[in-house]
Amino acid sequence: QKEVEQDPGPLSVPEGAIVSLNCTYSNSAFQYFMWYRQYSRKGPELLMYTYSSGNKEDGRFTAQVDKSSKYISLFIRDSQPSDSATYLCAMLGTDKLIFGTGTRLQVFP
Amino acid sequence: GAGVSQSPSNKVTEKGKDVELRCDPISGHTALYWYRQSLGQGLEFLIYFQGNSAPDKSGLPSDRFSAERTGGSVSTLTIQRTQQEDSAVYLCASSRPGSPLHFGNGTRLTVT
Repeated sequence: QKEVEQDPGPLSVPEGAIVSLNCTYSNSAFQYFMWYRQYSRKGPELLMYTYSSGNKEDGRFTAQVDKSSKYISLFIRDSQPSDSATYLCAMLGTDKLIFGTGTRLQVFP
Repeated sequence: GAGVSQSPSNKVTEKGKDVELRCDPISGHTALYWYRQSLGQGLEFLIYFQGNSAPDKSGLPSDRFSAERTGGSVSTLTIQRTQQEDSAVYLCASSRPGSPLHFGNGTRLTVT
C-alpha cells in the first residue's frame, strides 16, 4: 500500500462547479499537508499549506484535514477553465515530502 | 526574485549514455531536493541535501544515479548508463527550513 493514495482522475467539470479533490494516507505521523497545482510542462506550485487538522481558506480554495480519518481534501469553488491542471497532495515525512499521484482536473466552459 | 532553474529543459539520449542534469536553487535556500515524475506515478523522491549535512540518498533507485551539491548551491544529478525506464521528468526543489518547497520546471529526459 502506498503511503499516500490519490485518485488520478481525470475529473471533468463545467465552469462554475464546486470541485472536491481528496487524498488518503496511512502514516499517522504526518503533520503538515500541502496541495500543489501543476500545469502541463511546468513544475508543481504550492497552493495551500496546513498544519494538523482543520480547515484553511484562501479565496476560492479551501483545504481540509481530518487526521482521525487520515483524509485530506481540497475544494475549489466557482471553478474556472484556468483551474485545469493536475493537483497533487503532499505530506511531510521525516525530512521529505511524500506526494500523491496527482488528480488531473479539466474545467470546461 | 528568480525561482528554481533547471537545465536542460529537455534531453534526449541514447540508451547506455551518461547524462547530467543541473539545478540552480533559489538563493538562500539551504535545502535542495530531487524528485522524479513518471506518467501515472506521481513524484518519486530521489535525494535531499540540507546545508552541510550528509545527503539523504534513500530514494536513489540504483547505483547508476548520483548527485552532488557544490558550495551549498548548484546541484547536479548524474545518471550513468541510461536505460529506457529512466525516461521521466526530473524535478528539483529548494526551500528554507520549515518552509514549503519551490519547484523548478524540470528536465524532461527521454532515453531512446
